[in-house]
Amino acid sequence: ETGVTQSPTHLIKTRGQQVTLRCSSQSGHNTVSWYQQALGQGPQFIFQYYREEENGRGNFPPRFSGLQFPNYSSELNVNALELDDSALYLCASSKDRLPSSSGNTIYFGEGSWLTVV
Amino acid sequence: AQTVTQSQPEMSVQEAETVTLSCTYDTSESNYYLFWYKQPPSRQMILVIRQEAYKQQNATENRFSVNFQKAAKSFSLKISDSQLGDTAMYFCAFMNGGGATNKLIFGTGTLLAVQP
Repeated sequence: ETGVTQSPTHLIKTRGQQVTLRCSSQSGHNTVSWYQQALGQGPQFIFQYYREEENGRGNFPPRFSGLQFPNYSSELNVNALELDDSALYLCASSKDRLPSSSGNTIYFGEGSWLTVV
Repeated sequence: AQTVTQSQPEMSVQEAETVTLSCTYDTSESNYYLFWYKQPPSRQMILVIRQEAYKQQNATENRFSVNFQKAAKSFSLKISDSQLGDTAMYFCAFMNGGGATNKLIFGTGTLLAVQP
């Protein structure tokens, strides 16, 4: 158990629709990152939120957006869904946004499986 | 840009045997961290082991150890006394130590099957 919970675990959406995925970070963690993992691939960094502000973004279009709340939980929103958005979406939390030699372990949730049809 | 390459899509090992998973990476950074993550069928990424680039000593965690060859940009994972529960997808990952985020760059993974 990592203390990072995601919902929903599975969902099916139609192309063009919008989806919201949710993540509760581990207690004491102020940083949440989202990753997209397509089938047979490694996870790819979407963006990171630190203290309610976006702190970095990967190579994803603006229709991928997010929020972080005062309790540091987070949402990932994807608009105008495309078939290629079908993937496992992983949330990861950590104590801080910066790399460090120790103490800033990244903990992952079990992910949300999104299928776009 | 940093890249991580895992050239073994699948590997198989007998229970109690030793197996080594390969990983190479490319970076111009001098300050970075390398990781091995395990992803079982539950899909949750679990940290197996971490290596700081400035440390010459190879990291070990119980049955798991790494061979970190900085000049060759190689970071292999050795699993000793393999157990059935080690069956999973294993990902090698890179983190830029001087970056503004702690984002991980993952390889494409190696599927390890431990046979009874």
